[in-house]
Amino acid sequence: AQSVTQLGSHVSVSEGALVLLRCNYSSSVPPYLFWYVQYPNQGLQLLLKYTSAATLVKGINGFEAEFKKSETSFHLTKPSAHMSDAAEYFCAVSSYSSASKIIFGSGTRLSIRP
Amino acid sequence: EAEVAQSPRYKITEKSQAVAFWCDPISGHATLYWYRQILGQGPELLVQFQDESVVDDSQLPKDRFSAERLKGVDSTLKIQPAELGDSAMYLCASSRGWTENTDTQYFGPGTRLTVL
Repeated sequence: AQSVTQLGSHVSVSEGALVLLRCNYSSSVPPYLFWYVQYPNQGLQLLLKYTSAATLVKGINGFEAEFKKSETSFHLTKPSAHMSDAAEYFCAVSSYSSASKIIFGSGTRLSIRP
Repeated sequence: EAEVAQSPRYKITEKSQAVAFWCDPISGHATLYWYRQILGQGPELLVQFQDESVVDDSQLPKDRFSAERLKGVDSTLKIQPAELGDSAMYLCASSRGWTENTDTQYFGPGTRLTVL
């Protein structure tokens, strides 16, 4: 069975500060990993995904994530937070054998302080 | 840019009533998904269609929920009768249906259901 754990249901950073959202995964097969963003009362938008190519994945809006197999982690980072980054972020996992079956984490709400 | 359309955006109903949600996927997308997102949690897959066929409905509460995609294009999700615990956001997503790892799911804005 596959699962993801997002550490911290709420993260608050100052505008211009580093954003770090943590995600650990559990998978018995090589995983595909995703980060999605959800703005209030909207659907989910894909930020980036890892599918066994480069371990450092660059996404939209300046976000990136690094796949670390030894730590079973896929943390999301952005060097400098912007007010528009305030949203809910979901880490998710699937696999080659069931690529369309995506399991989502419980989400981390990111707040940006002026 | 093509988008997944859903309606209604908001629905308030009383328990024991019937409700229905509609989804129109991105044109040409063979795979359609319905997810339920309870407040404070991530989305959970209810049902997945490949064209008009159900691929996975293992998490769909079949005693009260039904889903169809008759012509392999748009889809309807129905709840009858609605229960208080059904209050959630119902999200529809679509993808091209490729088996390669490049397939991406695109989400609609969702329908927020409140059961009183």
